Amino acid sequence: DAGVTQSPTHLIKTRGQQVTLRCSPKSGHDTVSWYQQALGQGPQFIFQYYEEEERQRGNFPDRFSGHQFPNYSSELNVNALWLGDSALYLCASSVRRGHEQYFGPGTRLTVT
Amino acid sequence: AQSVTQLDSQVPVFEEAPVELRCNYSSSVSVYLFWYVQYPNQGLQLLLKYLSGSTLVKGINGFEAEFNKSQTSFHLRKPSVHISDTAEYFCAVSDLVSNTGKLIFGQGTTLQVKP
Repeated sequence: DAGVTQSPTHLIKTRGQQVTLRCSPKSGHDTVSWYQQALGQGPQFIFQYYEEEERQRGNFPDRFSGHQFPNYSSELNVNALWLGDSALYLCASSVRRGHEQYFGPGTRLTVT
Repeated sequence: AQSVTQLDSQVPVFEEAPVELRCNYSSSVSVYLFWYVQYPNQGLQLLLKYLSGSTLVKGINGFEAEFNKSQTSFHLRKPSVHISDTAEYFCAVSDLVSNTGKLIFGQGTTLQVKP
């Protein structure tokens, strides 16, 4: 049973560039949530996708956008990257927006 | 709105000693409570959860936590730690009212188990 997978593992970008991160949920899961974890901090909720729609959003600017595909996988896009966007981006999946979430290994984004 | 406070940023402890990691939360509505563990360069793994019922919750790897509604706390305990328990531990809440599963995390506690 495959767990949550994320790609790429690591990414280095320059300020002002755009980035796309990908997530495949655990088998049987239909909801994907994205979190940003800055160094030394707890994860912060970015947004959640269910039935291919953004259902809830945290306190993040519009530069952060996403998408969910019919196979439940999801993408996180960040435009006009800032140095402060450097973080570990975690994807979590659940069933029907449930509370029990399973996390992927994360994508480490470094903005220089 | 909810918030989570983990009262200790670092907890050093010797191997085979007991440990308690403290978590307090603030919420105007009922919440679900979770503890997650994060090993270096990895994602989060669910240790245990409190949804309802018995206030003493047992999880994986010998951890347990007790929900105290009056003190709004959910402290994590283990009677005897191993070197392999060295990791970052996060307490999290999600509220029952919105029922969306959105998690609010604390800042984390680093557990350092020494031989």
